[in-house]
Parts: sequence; C-alpha cells; structure tokens
Amino acid sequence: EPEVTQTPSHQVTQMGQEVILRCVPISNHLYFYWYRQILGQKVEFLVSFYNNEISEKSEIFDDQFSVERPDGSNFTLKIRSTKLEDSAMYFCASRGGRGEYNSPLHFGNGTRLTVT
Amino acid sequence: DAKTTQPNSMESNEEEPVHLPCNHSTISGTDYIHWYRQLPSQGPEYVIHGLTSNVNNRMASLAIAEDRKSSTLILHRATLRDAAVYYCILRDVLDDKVIFGPGTSLSVIP
Repeated sequence: EPEVTQTPSHQVTQMGQEVILRCVPISNHLYFYWYRQILGQKVEFLVSFYNNEISEKSEIFDDQFSVERPDGSNFTLKIRSTKLEDSAMYFCASRGGRGEYNSPLHFGNGTRLTVT
Repeated sequence: DAKTTQPNSMESNEEEPVHLPCNHSTISGTDYIHWYRQLPSQGPEYVIHGLTSNVNNRMASLAIAEDRKSSTLILHRATLRDAAVYYCILRDVLDDKVIFGPGTSLSVIP
C-alpha cells in the first residue's frame, strides 16, 4: 500500500537556525498538509496546500514558516529561524486524487524536531 | 468547526469488543463523521467515516445514531495493537482539513 514518507525521522537544530522538513506524499494525491504535535499535546493543523498554493493556514503558521513543492514528488516545510517552542513532531499528510472529495488524509510517521 | 465530545480514556480486555462513544450534538447536515487513531510514536491513521448510515470496513464499524448527534466506533475484537488514541472528528463535505481534538486513549489489557 502506498504511503507518505518523511525525512529525516529526527532533526536536532540550534535556536535561530533554518530547518527544512521533507515529505514525499502519495504519488497521485493532489492535497498536501503539515501538522505538528508538541509532546503530550494534541495534533495541530498548520497548513494545507493545493495546486501549488496555500489553501488554508492556522495562526501557528506565521511568517517563519513556508511550504514548497519544489518538484513533482517532494513537499517541504521550512522554518526560517527556529525557536525552542518549535520543538515538536511534524507530520506531513496527503489526500485525494482528481475528483476525490472529502477523502481521508494519509499521514507520514513524522519528523521529530528538537531545537536546542 | 463543530465540536465532538469523547471520554478521555477507556480500557478493554484483549479479544473483546470495544465501543468508543462520541457525542456531536451540534452536527450540521453536511458534516461527515470521521475517525482516526494514533498508535504510539506514529502519525494519525484513518479508520472510517460516514454520513448517516452505519459503515463497516476491515478495521472497524461505525454506528451512527438516527438523529446523528452521536456515534460509536466499534472494534469487534480488540488486540494489543489497537491500543491508541482514537479521534472522532466532524468534517464538512467541503472542508479541506481535519481538526483533531484530544481523543480517547484506549488501553488494551492482555
């Protein structure tokens, strides 16, 4: 069964550094997402992306965050200047081929980001 | 977003059925009821969804009340691998994203 893959599984970075989290969504999917989960807390929506632009973003997704689909297969989340409070598990998700509405999201197993 | 209410935690014995309840009294006519689960150290995983009729798939069954103000996720025979946090989510038919609440943490006792 096809799956969403995320790399790296764990990233450690220093406060103030830029970090890029990478995701390969399921190949025929058209809708892409990033979520995060701070340790012990609930899964929080960050951003959704369709047709090469952001569809929706949450209050968490401020100017320090950006997303990109640089080629036909990768979907990335960039944090420009990391803060301690950015430490969390970041999940990528994708859904929906052409014409599939209200289809379920498929999640990767996440990248654990630790900011020191 | 319409809200759901779930118990914080539940326990089940292995190999017995589990009924996970969810209340959603403010559900609208275009809200689908989705269930996801999150196993330890993994990303969320889709389980099942429905609108009005009961639904079955290889993972679980979803029983939806006639007035749609509540639903129940049924695991027919709990295994240790079913220990996870289960999320009941309302998602409008036109809504792009899924919004997670705190969910129900299910423990399975051998």
